Amino acid sequence: RKEVEQDPGPFNVPEGATVAFNCTYSNSASQSFFWYRQDCRKEPKLLMSVYSSGNEDGRFTAQLNRASQYISLLIRDSKLSDSATYLCVVRSDTGNQFYFGTGTSLTVIP
Amino acid sequence: NAGVTQTPKFRILKIGQSMTLQCAQDMNHNYMYWYRQDPGMGLKLIYYSVGAGITDKGEVPNGYNVSRSTTEYFPLRLELAAPSQTSVYFCASSYSMNGRLWGYTFGSGTRLTVV
Repeated sequence: RKEVEQDPGPFNVPEGATVAFNCTYSNSASQSFFWYRQDCRKEPKLLMSVYSSGNEDGRFTAQLNRASQYISLLIRDSKLSDSATYLCVVRSDTGNQFYFGTGTSLTVIP
Repeated sequence: NAGVTQTPKFRILKIGQSMTLQCAQDMNHNYMYWYRQDPGMGLKLIYYSVGAGITDKGEVPNGYNVSRSTTEYFPLRLELAAPSQTSVYFCASSYSMNGRLWGYTFGSGTRLTVV
């Protein structure tokens, strides 16, 4: 079983739409959770960490559900510039490895 | 700070050739990693290092070797290049504090084609 699983999409949404991605993880003892963004032919970059209480950064909201072992990313008022692949990342319970999901592709359409 | 620097950015190799992908970081991070990313796929960990002189295999180590003689450098060696090693290679680094990892940062990648 993979450590981290994501729906690969693609998600094609119109500008201004709200879109949500989910990601599940297999190890209940996992310590920390993140969303990374990867633009085409570029390196992944940290978008935001995911805290137990949920957290918001502008149009982006991340939530963690430990009981069901999933994390989510909500993007409101989608912009063309949000088009990218979003990677779910989980830090192992031992703390010395990060596990990356395969990514969810988002295209925001004018 | 330059962060994580990878060279070269692009390279074409013939089958059987060897090469070293360079990775350097100036953030004094103790952890460094090498990943490969095939088209449309996720990142796969090749090797990682928790400090100078210490390396360990990741998910897909076959066909690669690494060394970590200093904190700053973590080169990845391909000895006998094969078409299956055509991929984008990312180096990353992070630091540990209180038993956890922080500051995970990627280099801009090396696009390798083996023909």
